Order: sequence, then C-alpha cells, then structure tokens
Amino acid sequence: DAMVIQNPRYQVTQFGKPVTLSCSQTLNHNVMYWYQQKSSQAPKLLFHYYDKDFNNEADTPDNFQSRRPNTSFCFLDIRSPGLGDAAMYLCATSRRHGRFNQPQHFGDGTRLSIL
Amino acid sequence: DQQVKQNSPSLSVQEGRISILNCDYTNSMFDYFLWYKKYPAEGPTFLISISSIKDKNEDGRFTVFLNKSAKHLSLHIVPSQPGDSAVYFCAASALGLIQGAQKLVFGQGTRLTINP
Repeated sequence: DAMVIQNPRYQVTQFGKPVTLSCSQTLNHNVMYWYQQKSSQAPKLLFHYYDKDFNNEADTPDNFQSRRPNTSFCFLDIRSPGLGDAAMYLCATSRRHGRFNQPQHFGDGTRLSIL
Repeated sequence: DQQVKQNSPSLSVQEGRISILNCDYTNSMFDYFLWYKKYPAEGPTFLISISSIKDKNEDGRFTVFLNKSAKHLSLHIVPSQPGDSAVYFCAASALGLIQGAQKLVFGQGTRLTINP
C-alpha cells in the first residue's frame, strides 16, 4: 500500500544534541509537511516543501530545519533540542495540481523525548 | 490566537446513537474544511471534507455541516459504532488565497468514546 513512513517511531536525545527525524512516502506527492504536536494540543505546521521549494512558517524557531533530497524523502533536523521541543512530530504529504489539493496523508509520527 | 477551536475535549456517546462533534473558526478567509480521525499511536486519517460553496457533505455514516455565517461546522456520525472511538480533529484551509500548497490549521481535537 502507498503510504507515509516515519522513522524512528520513538527518538530520545540529549538536551542540545542534534537529532534528525525522517519521513518517506510512496504516494509520489509533490508536497511534504512537518507538524509539531504537543500533548492535547493541535498539530502545528512547522514548514513544508512544495516540490523543491521550501516554505517556512513565520513562527517556526530557527532551531528547526528541513531537507528534501528527492520527492520521496524529507528530513526534520533539530540543531540544538531544548526541553520544550519534546513532542510528537508528524509528517504529511499531499498532491497539488493546479488549484486542486488532495487531503493530506499523515505518517504515524515520531515521538521525541529530550533528556 | 487560535483560529480553529474545538471546545469539547471529550464526548461520550452510546453505540447506535448519533455523535455530533463541533468546531468553530474565526478566520473568514477559510474556504475548505476537513475532519481527521486519529487512533492512539497512529497518524491522523482523513475522514471527510467540505468546501465553503456547500453547506453539507455526506459520506456513508459521516456528514459534515457548514454554517458560514456562524463560522461553525459539525461532524455527525450516525449510527455511532465502537470503532469510531478516537480523537477527531477539525482543520481549515484558505485555498482561495494559496498559490502554493494547501496549509491546514487544526483544532485541538475531541476525544470521542462510543460506549457499548
């Protein structure tokens, strides 16, 4: 089945130690998103790639960066994680064709813990 | 400033009855609305959507109603089944303004429990 896969499902890192979360998709969607979701809160969009174009949200901390080396893969890099970055990180994909947007498909998330 | 609000953190409904989940929004530019369902340890799954040119969209047991003047939408599930127990997220987008990709603003979610 076509899907969005996030690895790892659980990630523990030390305060200040860089960490990378990974997302891959077999849907051939041209848009990939990263969301942060803290406990009992709404998922919050960090940034997205529309093809190769990177789009950062205005309130996304500089500590968060992303890479999309090809259509299938997208990475979330946290350069110096703080305790406040502990959260569920969700990757999503969608296809934009003209003005038409398909609903976003989500992966199962990576739960990040900071020691 | 929370643009999409789900004011009920939880809802409990008896199996076979109707479940009604509510969502309010403040941004009048939103023109496309979605509901996602989330089971524990899984990502959100798309359930149903509605464009602002409609006031109702139906898909099997699921119906979404949109009241633009009240900036309110609701999801009706009839009849409710135990497998419907999950967290439901409302999301909104301003497609008309977007030159690039769709960006969703989510509510905090409502945990629905269907009791046998």
